[in-house]
Amino acid sequence: LAKTTQPISMDSYEGQEVNITCSHNNIATNDYITWYQQFPSQGPRFIIQGYKTKVTNEVASLFIPADRKSSTLSLPRVSLSDTAVYYCLVGDMTTDSWGKLQFGAGTQVVVTP
Amino acid sequence: DAGVIQSPRHEVTEMGQEVTLRCKPISGHDYLFWYRQTMMRGLELLIYFNNNVPIDDSGMPEDRFSAKMPNASFSTLKIQPSEPRDSAVYFCASSPERRSNTGELFFGEGSRLTVL
Repeated sequence: LAKTTQPISMDSYEGQEVNITCSHNNIATNDYITWYQQFPSQGPRFIIQGYKTKVTNEVASLFIPADRKSSTLSLPRVSLSDTAVYYCLVGDMTTDSWGKLQFGAGTQVVVTP
Repeated sequence: DAGVIQSPRHEVTEMGQEVTLRCKPISGHDYLFWYRQTMMRGLELLIYFNNNVPIDDSGMPEDRFSAKMPNASFSTLKIQPSEPRDSAVYFCASSPERRSNTGELFFGEGSRLTVL
């Protein structure tokens, strides 16, 4: 399983764009990149997943460069309710070992007025 | 659907007592996961099931921990005997059959366990 590295914490103001970069230098060919969000006292929630280039949904965008050794989760115009821990996971979703995906320490994002 | 349902939400017990945590996955989901979260160790995968069969239990800390899934709609995580270091939030998650999804995990709200 690919090891991931992401910043421990990030601070932002309301209305700004927040970009969280995750490093995964030993990503394998079949690995996908998945991001989860966790609010206090709640379980993690799936945000977005991608394999290469760019993926966008109603919550966030995920940018993956050609070498796939890193990825950036972009949260546009954050609000106070975006204060949460964000986890980057990397793993092969096509084999039975996908269930062993591990959550790292995550990035604590704090949004202030 | 009501989502993944866990019980109890909070449990306080004394060292040496048996603890049973319960989980009802989302109907139709083939995979069920048990995670443990602490400040020190973060979110750890304990065990996961596919179609009620345990696939990987390498994350189960020791023999005091056991998990069962007697049917597709119910799973238990049991700790016997419990110890203070077992204090944590235990999450259950479920996921649809892999080929039809991206591997998204749907988490319950967790069971907060305190062992005195």
